[in-house]
Amino acid sequence: SQELEQSPQSLIVQEGKNLTINCTSSKTLYGLYWYKQKYGEGLIFLMMLQKGGEEKSHEKITAKLDEKKQQSSLHITASQPSHAGIYLCGAVTSGSRLTFGEGTQLTVNP
Amino acid sequence: NAGVTQTPKFQVLKTGQSMTLQCAQDMNHEYMSWYRQDPGMGLRLIHYSVGAGITDQGEVPNGYNVSRSTTEDFPLRLLSAAPSQTSVYFCASSYSMKPLNNEQFFGPGTRLTVL
Repeated sequence: SQELEQSPQSLIVQEGKNLTINCTSSKTLYGLYWYKQKYGEGLIFLMMLQKGGEEKSHEKITAKLDEKKQQSSLHITASQPSHAGIYLCGAVTSGSRLTFGEGTQLTVNP
Repeated sequence: NAGVTQTPKFQVLKTGQSMTLQCAQDMNHEYMSWYRQDPGMGLRLIHYSVGAGITDQGEVPNGYNVSRSTTEDFPLRLLSAAPSQTSVYFCASSYSMKPLNNEQFFGPGTRLTVL
């Protein structure tokens, strides 16, 4: 969706390295979801951000919401092979619809 | 709870064939939806339902029909399959249609190829 852009599209990192994935909206953000997808599986909910400046963490994954920049970032600290997969952001911009980004393919090499 | 289940996991169709993708949830969710996932396009909403007997179109509804006779089931029908419908299809459910503070639960997906 051009309304929501994720970067990078793909990322290959060495195990133990930190990484950041960005999700930028062309419209005002009212909320932002992060999901993780593994091949052959559905989307797994990671976290939801709603307030500007909000930051949430789950294990080694931290997500932040910057309302002014209309952007959210997902940061993984000390990556592990179990972090590999596709990360998708879903944005609530207006109305009752959730718009998804194209996803970021993450590969973590041991 | 099984969550959201989808069948089949894989399907190959010939152009013009019809089929139904099954979706069921056991969480008593009112809102259910179907998405398709294509490379470079993200997830796009096909149809959704806010309760039994109520359905509506999403972003890409052409070529697909849905019905919601029960709270649990939300099948997606392809009446005459076309190669452009080759995709991965996800069913999702949530407590309500409100997009905030309302996690959507996704099924494992159906990989459909139309020859």
